[in-house]
Amino acid sequence: DAKTTQPPSMDCAEGRAANLPCNHSTISGNEYVYWYRQIHSQGPQYIIHGLKNNETNEMASLIITEDRKSSTLILPHATLRDTAVYYCIVRALNNAGNMLTFGGGTRLMVKP
Amino acid sequence: DAGVIQSPRHEVTEMGQEVTLRCKLISGHNSLFWYRQTMMRGLELLIYFNNNVPIDDSGMPEDRFSAKMPNASFSTLKIQPSEPRDSAVYFCASSATLSTGELFFGEGSRLTVL
Repeated sequence: DAKTTQPPSMDCAEGRAANLPCNHSTISGNEYVYWYRQIHSQGPQYIIHGLKNNETNEMASLIITEDRKSSTLILPHATLRDTAVYYCIVRALNNAGNMLTFGGGTRLMVKP
Repeated sequence: DAGVIQSPRHEVTEMGQEVTLRCKLISGHNSLFWYRQTMMRGLELLIYFNNNVPIDDSGMPEDRFSAKMPNASFSTLKIQPSEPRDSAVYFCASSATLSTGELFFGEGSRLTVL
């Protein structure tokens, strides 16, 4: 699976949009972009995923560039409870199985 | 549904003792994953199962570690004998199928080996 690069940390003001970037310049055509987050002392939580179209759900929006070499996770109105480590993962669907490989992630601190 | 349930939440043991961590999958899920998290190495996939069958155990650190799925809803991860370097948070996750990337994680079992 392709590797990803994320900034180690970011700050965001409460109520503002949090834009978390991810670089995946070696992504293959059959690889999806997944985002998870891990709040302190909890297990990782799935947020959203996409292939090439932008995606939105109740938690966040995912914007994938046209060349698919990077993406941005957007939390439209960050709250203090969104403080967490956010992981960007690229993963292919294949018959051999499904291994989500977590990197270092971005530690997002939402401040009052 | 209660989600993925792990026990114990915390375990403190002495080097050389056997440790058994338990995981109950979400009802109807067919795939089960064991991860380990440490400050130094982050989240590492240890082993995963599909329909009770181990698919890939290449992440299991050594023979002291073993995992089983005695039935479709339950799994155990055993460490025998335990060592201080096994201290970590162990997460279990399940998914509906092996192909989906949407995993549901438990709250984790924090293991401390003295």
